[in-house]
Amino acid sequence: QVVLTQSPSASASLGASVKLTCTLTSGHNSYAIAWHQQLPEKGPRYLMKVTSDGSHSKGDGIPDRFSGSSSGAERYLTISSLQSEDEADYYCQTWGTGVQVIFGGGTKLTVL
Amino acid sequence: QLQLQESGPGLVKPSETLSLTCSVSGGSISISTYYWAWIRQSPGKGLEWIGSLHHRGSTYYNPSLKSRVSISVDTSNNQLSLRLRSVTAADTALYYCARVRINDYAVDYWGQGTPVTVSS
Repeated sequence: QVVLTQSPSASASLGASVKLTCTLTSGHNSYAIAWHQQLPEKGPRYLMKVTSDGSHSKGDGIPDRFSGSSSGAERYLTISSLQSEDEADYYCQTWGTGVQVIFGGGTKLTVL
Repeated sequence: QLQLQESGPGLVKPSETLSLTCSVSGGSISISTYYWAWIRQSPGKGLEWIGSLHHRGSTYYNPSLKSRVSISVDTSNNQLSLRLRSVTAADTALYYCARVRINDYAVDYWGQGTPVTVSS
């Protein structure tokens, strides 16, 4: 079964860039993943899908500051020109056997 | 713009059945290219998939909850329902309904969530 691993926390300064990582278990390098943002006290919001070749397709209204990329078993979410409102939990998501929806543990992003 | 709105009792007693409804507006629940899912988040924790349904009736459940959960659809009212039997305090969580794309299994729309506390 595929497992998604994320660092529990990350931080970066206002106006800087940050790259969050989601790692797929061995043998699942071909999997696409989705990134979701959860602002404090809010429900999650779909950001984008990132494929194994590094292409990404964003959801409606997602700013250009958000982009995705890939390398091997790793899928990345890059946020540039960080703003205070980007402080949130970020989850990656993929699928497992029997159309199970699988989430990573989430990364809490702090904007300094 | 698609909107999903969860509703149901905020408090359920231990051993009873949790029942929630998700009302879908701005789009049809009967579109074949999507599943509809329930996902929950325990206090201070991450996201846990409960199960998914296709409007034609196929259902898929988290193995850890399969013996207690059922998901159904009311296409005439554009609603999704969740029933979770024999609840315990471990079922206390925010419950979200969501749309899942069949072609790539990405969750692309979420409801705002409804809190459920299991307590006597």
